[in-house]
Amino acid sequence: DIQMTQSPSTLSASVGDRVTITCRASQTISSWLAWYQQKPGKAPKVLIYKASSLESGVPSRFSGSGSGTEFTLTISSLQPDDFATYYCQQYNNYPWTFGQGTKVEIK
Amino acid sequence: EVQLVESGGGLVQPGGSLRLSCAASGFTFSSYSMNWVRQAPGKGLEWVSYISSSSSVKYYADSVKGRFTISRDNAENSLYLQMNSLTAEDTAFYYCARDHTMVRGVLDYWGQGTLVTVSS
Repeated sequence: DIQMTQSPSTLSASVGDRVTITCRASQTISSWLAWYQQKPGKAPKVLIYKASSLESGVPSRFSGSGSGTEFTLTISSLQPDDFATYYCQQYNNYPWTFGQGTKVEIK
Repeated sequence: EVQLVESGGGLVQPGGSLRLSCAASGFTFSSYSMNWVRQAPGKGLEWVSYISSSSSVKYYADSVKGRFTISRDNAENSLYLQMNSLTAEDTAFYYCARDHTMVRGVLDYWGQGTLVTVSS
């Protein structure tokens, strides 16, 4: 199975900050990577797919980059609604696997 | 509006069985592949199973292979997960999730989840 490792596990930031989350795959996955946002008690919501494609309706302050084994999710200016947990997911090979999550907290 | 509504969760004893259902509406269910994803309380996401639109292809996580069975009824717009030989490690919220319109493997709509608790 492909292991996905996110860093950091927790991130403290302020409104307006630029935030970057990293996701590493244990083997190359080309650009077959998605990012999800999950708020407490809610289902995940897809933000980015194919490493850098913005899902319809997602604010443009979210962006993704990378290919191969290293990927990043960037929030250009953190908004109050963005405090949540973020997960990367590879869909290059079954089983699909997720990173362990990055919790973005209020500083 | 796309809606996915899970049901069937609850408390079950170790070794027991449970059948989860997911009722789909707001889209042409028979045209989409579907998935089950679970999340233990306070933990991360784990993909569980996949079924193609016609039920011809099914995949399972190793952790559930041989114990769980995914199925669907396109006439009823419903997805199912039959879970047997349950253990405490299966305790989780179970979400049904639709494959993205354009990208297989990306999950673009999720239900609200149903909680399965395995305990004596």
